[in-house]
Amino acid sequence: DQQVKQNSPSLSVQEGRISILNCDYTNSMFDYFLWYKKYPAEGPTFLISISSIKDKNEDGRFTVFLNKSAKHLSLHIVPSQPGDSAVYFCAASVGGTYKYIFGTGTRLKVLA
Amino acid sequence: SAVISQKPSRDICQRGTSLTIQCQVDSQVTMMFWYRQQPGQSLTLIATANQGSEATYESGFVIDKFPISRPNLTFSTLTVSNMSPEDSSIYLCSVDVRGEFFGPGTRLTVL
Repeated sequence: DQQVKQNSPSLSVQEGRISILNCDYTNSMFDYFLWYKKYPAEGPTFLISISSIKDKNEDGRFTVFLNKSAKHLSLHIVPSQPGDSAVYFCAASVGGTYKYIFGTGTRLKVLA
Repeated sequence: SAVISQKPSRDICQRGTSLTIQCQVDSQVTMMFWYRQQPGQSLTLIATANQGSEATYESGFVIDKFPISRPNLTFSTLTVSNMSPEDSSIYLCSVDVRGEFFGPGTRLTVL
């Protein structure tokens, strides 16, 4: 039972354009969501998070949107840069548990 | 922030042997976590390691197979026991700043 799903295993975007990575979840108890970026041979790096009391959170070029009714979140990267090429994981947890459920990841390739 | 190191970074092991993976954090943290990422799969939490108490294992993971030590607030080890090829994975530790910091991972291949 995959509670957090990233249905697109890969995505290619031109440099300077917007990258949109999507994530769906099934557990309505999830109230905290995170995005991680992972380069080969490195551990995941935290990017941005959002609590269920919000529907949007921005940090520089990265914006996360949360649609609780649709159980969907997305990560927007604007403008995309070649250095953004990596695997992106979304993760979710129920508040305070520190137990994160990860999606399977989306490999983003930003073309110069 | 926290800086996490893991040893070894990678290893190739024979079936039936055991490997101990070390995780060192540059600051004291209450909780440390061990994850596994099998090829093509998402990260899966193995267990939570608290200093001074036994680790808490997630469904599908048992102490006999994945014994964990947590001797102090900056260090933990995970042992993968009696290995089989199905244990070939990347093993990662993370710390409890809302799960934001991961180690670089240990890539294990079991022949």
